[in-house]
Amino acid sequence: ETGVTQTPRHLVMGMTNKKSLKCEQHLGHNAMYWYKQSAKKPLELMFVYSLEERVENNSVPSRFSPECPNSSHLFLHLHTLQPEDSALYLCASSQEAHLEKLFFGSGTQLSVL
Amino acid sequence: DQQVKQNSPSLSVQEGRISILNCDYTNSMFDYFLWYKKYPAEGPTFLISISSIKDKNEDGRFTVFLNKSAKHLSLHIVPSQPGDSAVYFCAASGVNTDKLIFGTGTRLQVFP
Repeated sequence: ETGVTQTPRHLVMGMTNKKSLKCEQHLGHNAMYWYKQSAKKPLELMFVYSLEERVENNSVPSRFSPECPNSSHLFLHLHTLQPEDSALYLCASSQEAHLEKLFFGSGTQLSVL
Repeated sequence: DQQVKQNSPSLSVQEGRISILNCDYTNSMFDYFLWYKKYPAEGPTFLISISSIKDKNEDGRFTVFLNKSAKHLSLHIVPSQPGDSAVYFCAASGVNTDKLIFGTGTRLQVFP
């Protein structure tokens, strides 16, 4: 596969569940990102990892927990989410952190019931 | 407060005509601007960018214009094709913003 792949594409979970979103990039990039896209809102940056080290956390609630085991893989662990967390979660990568040209995955559409 | 604004949530254009998507920004320190295109069930893909040292950048059917004094940029697509139907996001970055700031997007529909 090429580019940035995300799994699952769709996820429905209850507020007491624990689930994880997975992202893998095949571009040899050094930086990976999690973005949240809610309806009628701009894309919101959640986390940035550069060479597996977290460099930015935009005041995201602790019920979202990122993990970056290596420069190709990124996870977002979810627990005790709220219905307002329902959104499209997009993973992206770039050659270096904060370079403007991002390559996005197709996203995970999350519904919290 | 939104620093990047796309005030038109949707735009409908006939095939072959010009599509003009607009974007306004408030931060005068922004110096790099990008447009991304997003199809349903896919992630955004980079389309075209422009640096603040230029006022125009062209790539095939796509041209981005930057008016720094008005803090306004626009994306022109000519001629528009049905395959251009997508959501277009404007984004900006600058020396004091070490991340991309996105707009809310404009949904373009090109009809035959």
